[in-house]
Amino acid sequence: GAGVSQSPSNKVTEKGKDVELRCDPISGHTALYWYRQSLGQGLEFLIYFQGNSAPDKSGLPSDRFSAERTGGSVSTLTIQRTQQEDSAVYLCASSLGGTTGYTFGSGTRLTVV
Amino acid sequence: QKEVEQNSGPLSVPEGAIASLNCTYSDRGSQSFFWYRQYSGKSPELIMFIYSNGDKEDGRFTAQLNKASQYVSLLIRDSQPSDSATYLCAVNTDNFNKFYFGSGTKLNVKP
Repeated sequence: GAGVSQSPSNKVTEKGKDVELRCDPISGHTALYWYRQSLGQGLEFLIYFQGNSAPDKSGLPSDRFSAERTGGSVSTLTIQRTQQEDSAVYLCASSLGGTTGYTFGSGTRLTVV
Repeated sequence: QKEVEQNSGPLSVPEGAIASLNCTYSDRGSQSFFWYRQYSGKSPELIMFIYSNGDKEDGRFTAQLNKASQYVSLLIRDSQPSDSATYLCAVNTDNFNKFYFGSGTKLNVKP
């Protein structure tokens, strides 16, 4: 596609429920990243994919968080047993790889009530 | 811990003035440096990047890098109200294209 597409744009969920966030990167971009941004805060790195593999999962905050990427394209970030502190904007970005800048999607605003 | 520090602001400048945004980083091995602009409620968009010491100009924007002092700055000339946004500094320190972001500086350009 022309840009990085994320869905849903907004998600309200009850504490303890599982959620899935989807990212469709720019066609041809081999690298895909997940970040999250809490209100008024900077971006916190979560995970990075090169193709379908994830060489760096160091930012995942707990084992409730997992992510996968299939076909070198779409990625899904799953949060199990959501907690209120998981509330944030989850941003996906893609790039051609190497040391190049990212193109960000519009984000998914997750609210856990 | 790899840290990227920015003054949160807000930095207020009058229209037409030069806005100077600064960023310091802790990892001396950092290799590339990017500036993103983020409007309220929107996602960040890339505006400048710099790899080498010195200045890099692109239109009204100039990025300055000093690796010895571990700081990178962004100058915005002839500031416009439309430049009002939060500016995020991002630093890359490895080969995986993973960037560490500062918390951003909020810029207000007053008409």
